[in-house]
Amino acid sequence: AQSVTQPDIHITVSEGASLELRCNYSYGATPYLFWYVQSPGQGLQLLLKYFSGDTLVQGIKGFEAEFKRSQSSFNLRKPSVHWSDAAEYFCAVGLGGGGGNKLTFGTGTQLKVEL
Amino acid sequence: DAGVTQSPTHLIKTRGQQVTLRCSPKSGHDTVSWYQQALGQGPQFIFQYYEEEERQRGNFPDRFSGHQFPNYSSELNVNALLLGDSALYLCASSFTLWGGYEQYFGPGTRLTVT
Repeated sequence: AQSVTQPDIHITVSEGASLELRCNYSYGATPYLFWYVQSPGQGLQLLLKYFSGDTLVQGIKGFEAEFKRSQSSFNLRKPSVHWSDAAEYFCAVGLGGGGGNKLTFGTGTQLKVEL
Repeated sequence: DAGVTQSPTHLIKTRGQQVTLRCSPKSGHDTVSWYQQALGQGPQFIFQYYEEEERQRGNFPDRFSGHQFPNYSSELNVNALLLGDSALYLCASSFTLWGGYEQYFGPGTRLTVT
C-alpha cells in the first residue's frame, strides 16, 4: 500500500528565511504528487502538483517542489517565507486513472513563522 | 465560479445518532471524494463517487455510506455515531475525463459527537 511520510511535525522559520518541507513516499511506481496547505479551520488548498516531465514544479504563492525519483521524495521549498505562510502543509500521493484517484496524505507539517 | 461547497459548517450529534453531510462540487466537476480528518492528522480517504456510483472505498466501516445525485452533488451519511467519528469531514471534487488527478477541497464540516 502506498504511504506518505512527512518527518517534520513542526517547523519554525523566521520571516524572510528560506523553507524546505520534506516528503517521502512509498509506492511501486511513480505516483502523482501534490502539496496542499491548510489554514486553521479551513479546507485544503492545492499548492502544486507533479504528474510527469520536469522534476521541478512551480506552484502558487511562490512555492516550488522537486521530485527526486532516486530518493522517493517530493520536497516543498520557498526562497523567502512570509508571515502569512504560517499554516499546516500536507503532502499527498494519488494513483489517478479511470479506476479512481484517492489521495493518500502524510500527517502534515505545522509551519510557524517568527516575525 | 463557485468552488466546492459543504453544509453544514458545524454539527453536534449524540452517540448513536445518524448524520448527513452535503457537498456540491466545483462547476464542471463530476467526481466527488470524501475524507475524514481527525484532529492533528492528515485526511483519510472514505470513498469516491462517480456517475452516481461508489467507485472506490477506503478502510471505513459500512456505517459510512454515501450518494451522488444526477447534478453531481453528494451526501455522506454516518449511522450509529461513535465518539471517534468526531472529525473534520472534507469533500473534494475532480473531473474524471481529465484523469481526475487534481482534487479541489471544500471548507469541510466539523462534526462533534458527544
